[in-house]
Amino acid sequence: AQSVTQLDSQVPVFEEAPVELRCNYSSSVSVYLFWYVQYPNQGLQLLLKYLSGSTLVKGINGFEAEFNKSQTSFHLRKPSVHISDTAEYFCAVIRNFGNEKLTFGTGTRLTIIP
Amino acid sequence: EPEVTQTPSHQVTQMGQEVILRCVPISNHLYFYWYRQILGQKVEFLVSFYNNEISEKSEIFDDQFSVERPDGSNFTLKIRSTKLEDSAMYFCASRDRVDTQYFGPGTRLTVL
Repeated sequence: AQSVTQLDSQVPVFEEAPVELRCNYSSSVSVYLFWYVQYPNQGLQLLLKYLSGSTLVKGINGFEAEFNKSQTSFHLRKPSVHISDTAEYFCAVIRNFGNEKLTFGTGTRLTIIP
Repeated sequence: EPEVTQTPSHQVTQMGQEVILRCVPISNHLYFYWYRQILGQKVEFLVSFYNNEISEKSEIFDDQFSVERPDGSNFTLKIRSTKLEDSAMYFCASRDRVDTQYFGPGTRLTVL
């Protein structure tokens, strides 16, 4: 089975400051990794994903994440945040063969301070 | 851009009543999913559906739950006799042959 840990439940950041949201996973098999964002009163939107290849992946809205296999991490970063980035961010994994379900972390609420 | 849609956005029901949550997946997608998120908790997998049958289900998905694709476009989740603990946000998702699941906006179910 897979599991995902998002250690930070809430992260307040000043506008235009950089941010890193941490995600660690556990799995005995190879996985694909995802970050989803949930804006207030909306559904889950895909930010970015790692399937294979370059370990640095870029997503929408200026976000990027780096897959680190040795540390089993997939941290999300943005060099300069905006008020509109206020949302809940979920890290998720899926086994890269034969398994259907996404396993989500508990989420990190990012609050941008003006 | 195509998207997954869900209706209703909010459903209020009495305990013991049946509810049907509806989803319209992205049109060329073949795999369909239901997840739920109890307030303040993580998003949890309920069931996956492919080729008109369930391919995987979680322990949450007991006999009170069922899924159906009644026509070429809708994908429904039925809860036969709702319980208070079924109150949650229910998300539908779909994917094509690639590995990315696309989520709908969710249905908030409130059981009184």
